[in-house]
Amino acid sequence: QQQVKQSPQSLIVQKGGISIINCAYENTAFDYFPWYQQFPGKGPALLIAIRPDVSEKKEGRFTISFNKSAKQFSLHIMDSQPGDSATYFCAAENAGNMLTFGGGTRLMVKP
Amino acid sequence: GAGVSQSPSNKVTEKGKDVELRCDPISGHTALYWYRQSLGQGLEFLIYFQGNSAPDKSGLPSDRFSAERTGGSVSTLTIQRTQQEDSAVYLCASSKFSSPRTTDTQYFGPGTRLTVL
Repeated sequence: QQQVKQSPQSLIVQKGGISIINCAYENTAFDYFPWYQQFPGKGPALLIAIRPDVSEKKEGRFTISFNKSAKQFSLHIMDSQPGDSATYFCAAENAGNMLTFGGGTRLMVKP
Repeated sequence: GAGVSQSPSNKVTEKGKDVELRCDPISGHTALYWYRQSLGQGLEFLIYFQGNSAPDKSGLPSDRFSAERTGGSVSTLTIQRTQQEDSAVYLCASSKFSSPRTTDTQYFGPGTRLTVL
């Protein structure tokens, strides 16, 4: 099963708040879990990624939490800013270098 | 350095016409991918090239879609006899291919927005 399920589809957060996006997967062969950020008219760009040997990775205001037993991972954006307004995609990859993407979450951060 | 580039940025065509979309990967990247992104949707994998190996065409939606990669660099995605449902943004990505095998970051181009009238 290659599907990656992402929720919510859209999210509105006040400036300074925490944005949380969740993803779940089925295939236990996945061994790399990147998050991509996409602004309108642009291609997706890698934001942060995690491997299943750690439960959390933090880069600045962005944190990935990973629960291997539940096959779930999430992106937390702390102190959300209007400039964070974009579409976020989770993805999962196996050693064959094939990415399976979630359906995307459109985030809007209100000033 | 230069990123992944794609051309044209926008393409409007009439139903039934053929279109060619071009992707220039990052220099030195041996892996190249094509994806399709329909309005408000996620990314749908189309095809994957790695070096001189036979491409993985498992994501191509129909035999109207084909792609080639010349000289291990530039790739062209061709859609024959375009249909309205082909309207989407077509994204290209490239990555290194490490040995021993590991996962490598895919870098995306800006995409080609295809509109079939």
